[in-house]
Amino acid sequence: SQTIHQWPATLVQPVGSPLSLECTVEGTSNPNLYWYRQAAGRGLQLLFYSVGIGQISSEVPQNLSASRPQDRQFILSSKKLLLSDSGFYLCAWSVFQGARDGYTFGSGTRLTVV
Amino acid sequence: AQKITQTQPGMFVQEKEAVTLDCTYDTSDQSYGLFWYKQPSSGEMIFLIYQGSYDEQNATEGRYSLNFQKARKSANLVISASQLGDSAMYFCAMREDSTGGFKTIFGAGTRLFVKA
Repeated sequence: SQTIHQWPATLVQPVGSPLSLECTVEGTSNPNLYWYRQAAGRGLQLLFYSVGIGQISSEVPQNLSASRPQDRQFILSSKKLLLSDSGFYLCAWSVFQGARDGYTFGSGTRLTVV
Repeated sequence: AQKITQTQPGMFVQEKEAVTLDCTYDTSDQSYGLFWYKQPSSGEMIFLIYQGSYDEQNATEGRYSLNFQKARKSANLVISASQLGDSAMYFCAMREDSTGGFKTIFGAGTRLFVKA
């Protein structure tokens, strides 16, 4: 069965520090991968998506970046965190773009920048 | 412009009663998909139900049904026989296939409280 792992679950980082969040998928090949951010009490904002190794599409200009070094690994990074980067980060995957089954989400990382 | 609008920030329902969560959307695409997700307090996002723009019948999944009114661009979620475990945030989402189908846009959500 397919599973998605996301870590860490919570993170408290000082302003200006780097960030690395990792997401891995098991049990499937060539998934579409997504990073979303959810501000407190708000909906989800799409940050990045990837349809294959090394292929990253960015949806919002920001100081975040994403990489996909392996087929089932998706990494969200920042060189210098801002206070506004605080939020709940969710990784998700789908089999193909027309899927009727929706996304499968990871358990999320709650990031607090202090 | 908002593509997905959920006008109810919070809703209360008595246990065992039905509740409707509203969602309207805006798109010029002919081909699109509509989704509902549940987010409990733990934060995980759980896919509930899907409606394709060309589906002629309203989608149903157990106690969940989607009241799809294409001309009005609405996709309301109906939860029948509410349970205490249904208390959560509910998000309506849309995937426009003209974008390659890679982007799913979410509404701001509705928090549902089920009362015993």
